Amino acid sequence: QQQVKQSPQSLIVQKGGISIINCAYENTAFDYFPWYQQFPGKGPALLIAIRPDVSEKKEGRFTISFNKSAKQFSLHIMDSQPGDSATYFCAASKNDKLIFGTGTRLQVFP
Amino acid sequence: DSGVTQTPKHLITATGQRVTLRCSPRSGDLSVYWYQQSLDQGLQFLIQYYNGEERAKGNILERFSAQQFPDLHSELNLSSLELGDSALYFCASSPRTAYEQYFGPGTRLTVT
Repeated sequence: QQQVKQSPQSLIVQKGGISIINCAYENTAFDYFPWYQQFPGKGPALLIAIRPDVSEKKEGRFTISFNKSAKQFSLHIMDSQPGDSATYFCAASKNDKLIFGTGTRLQVFP
Repeated sequence: DSGVTQTPKHLITATGQRVTLRCSPRSGDLSVYWYQQSLDQGLQFLIQYYNGEERAKGNILERFSAQQFPDLHSELNLSSLELGDSALYFCASSPRTAYEQYFGPGTRLTVT
């Protein structure tokens, strides 16, 4: 079974701090790695994504770091804000299938 | 707002019953995906349709089926419901491939 392992399960960060969520995958055939953000009562929303030929992608306060040799990728949220409090899912894609990690519940306290 | 709509928002039914969940994709999107989200299983891919045809299958039970109609809306049918089927069911759509999926607000199914 193709798997994407995500950690930590939950994360508490103070406002202004850096939130880091890690994911690891097994299948080297994956060719697209998105991160989704989900607020309570809402569907997941695409946040940022990266392809394996790039080692880093930054969009505003959100950065994906990708390590192809280690088969790992991570999401960094700089200057974390209370409004970033949500559940974050990493995912990996190949052949029209998205395989999701188990999610990280992020809480940012003022 | 992603542009994907799902109805109903909430559904409460009894074990053994059958329900139908409906999804309307974003305008122009040909692919529709169904996911099940539960506390212990996370987001699980169920099935994908592309322009009316089944394209990919995930962990979908035999009691579940789906279809995509000529107007591109999709329905997920769940039958012989069990307590363990209680979950959030999400529909997502994308223009062509899985690379950018836009999720609807979900249908919360409670089986009693």
